[in-house]
Amino acid sequence: DAGITQSPRHKVTETGTPVTLRCHQTENHRYMYWYRQDPGHGLRLIHYSYGVKDTDKGEVSDGYSVSRSKTEDFLLTLESATSSQTSVYFCAISEGGRTTYEQYFGPGTRLTVT
Amino acid sequence: LAKTTQPISMDSYEGQEVNITCSHNNIATNDYITWYQQFPSQGPRFIIQGYKTKVTNEVASLFIPADRKSSTLSLPRVSLSDTAVYYCLVRGSARQLTFGSGTQLTVLP
Repeated sequence: DAGITQSPRHKVTETGTPVTLRCHQTENHRYMYWYRQDPGHGLRLIHYSYGVKDTDKGEVSDGYSVSRSKTEDFLLTLESATSSQTSVYFCAISEGGRTTYEQYFGPGTRLTVT
Repeated sequence: LAKTTQPISMDSYEGQEVNITCSHNNIATNDYITWYQQFPSQGPRFIIQGYKTKVTNEVASLFIPADRKSSTLSLPRVSLSDTAVYYCLVRGSARQLTFGSGTQLTVLP
């Protein structure tokens, strides 16, 4: 399995509090992604990164920000958590180029906003 | 952005071949077709990708007709452990990452 870890794995927080999720990789892959998955839905892209300090928005980026100061770490921040952000968050990595379509996913972080 | 349409669910029996078809009528010239598998409480896992005709690896085959408006994932001789959600993706760049709702495959004994 690809070396991807996510922390924390579970978190319960209150509405209005800031939350930061961390994705760490040991594969030195160029691309990193944050998705969310809600019951009965596929994954939706929040933000992605194509290099250190290079990020772009995905399909559902409102209310989220990201940062990538090192190749191995990609942080997802909810500035002021809302109940609609209760979800399972997956981080993924890929090498880029012709192999961009093959992504490796982390174990997920289950976030509950009360 | 090419939209994909898949059956919501399928049932099969152990040992049978399963074919899941995905429709992508507005696929673009530079789009590749990729399939992922997801088990409950896990992240998706890459199965196979292709551009045209047929691609085969150790776990599946992918059939793509000449017009590329659909594709079929073929799983030979499924087992109970193949019960999962299968996603078809069509993408041409890192940003076009839309998984859709997928197909819930249930393999019965």
